[in-house]
Amino acid sequence: EAGVAQSPRYKIIEKRQSVAFWCNPISGHATLYWYQQILGQGPKLLIQFQNNGVVDDSQLPKDRFSAERLKGVDSTLKIQPAKLEDSAVYLCASSPTSGGYNEQFFGPGTRLTVL
Amino acid sequence: AQSVAQPEDQVNVAEGNPLTVKCTYSVSGNPYLFWYVQYPNRGLQFLLKYITGDNLVKGSYGFEAEFNKSQTSFHLKKPSALVSDSALYFCASLKGDSWGKLQFGAGTQVVVTP
Repeated sequence: EAGVAQSPRYKIIEKRQSVAFWCNPISGHATLYWYQQILGQGPKLLIQFQNNGVVDDSQLPKDRFSAERLKGVDSTLKIQPAKLEDSAVYLCASSPTSGGYNEQFFGPGTRLTVL
Repeated sequence: AQSVAQPEDQVNVAEGNPLTVKCTYSVSGNPYLFWYVQYPNRGLQFLLKYITGDNLVKGSYGFEAEFNKSQTSFHLKKPSALVSDSALYFCASLKGDSWGKLQFGAGTQVVVTP
């Protein structure tokens, strides 16, 4: 089966600019996650969707980050405006059911560099 | 607070030797623990998980992990390392207060030399 797709793979922007990332989860997976992975650290969950509803966005900096999952399939993560500290790899993951014990399937990530 | 710790930033091992990557946990209630591996320029891949049952969990690519409640550890092991095992390994715990929310350790870089 096809894996989790993400685009773009790399993005370089200047601070205060806007950027958007796209994720297409594995077909049929109800749960979708966005993680931020800063160099030298483990991934940190930003937001979790169950179908098209938000389950957890407690660590999403809502003053600049937003995410949506239209029709419970694809998802976009937006940063507006970007700061230097947003430089990281943004990982999208999906799982078949409502999270829990299930393994998560990760995409290749989008590497964001903010200058 | 639920958390995992990986005390080693890097582990170096010669090909053919046993490989151990350490993880300790601090969770309230029953621990649900996972290992993921990350190859360069690729997303994380699931290796194995401990939910309940046998303390020795077998996973993908010949890896296994031993859950030790008294030492609050969940070390990842492989009897004979391969050069292709060189990657970044993450231990993670499931947060009980948020279903499906994984909390990752900082990661351990494994370098296997020929």
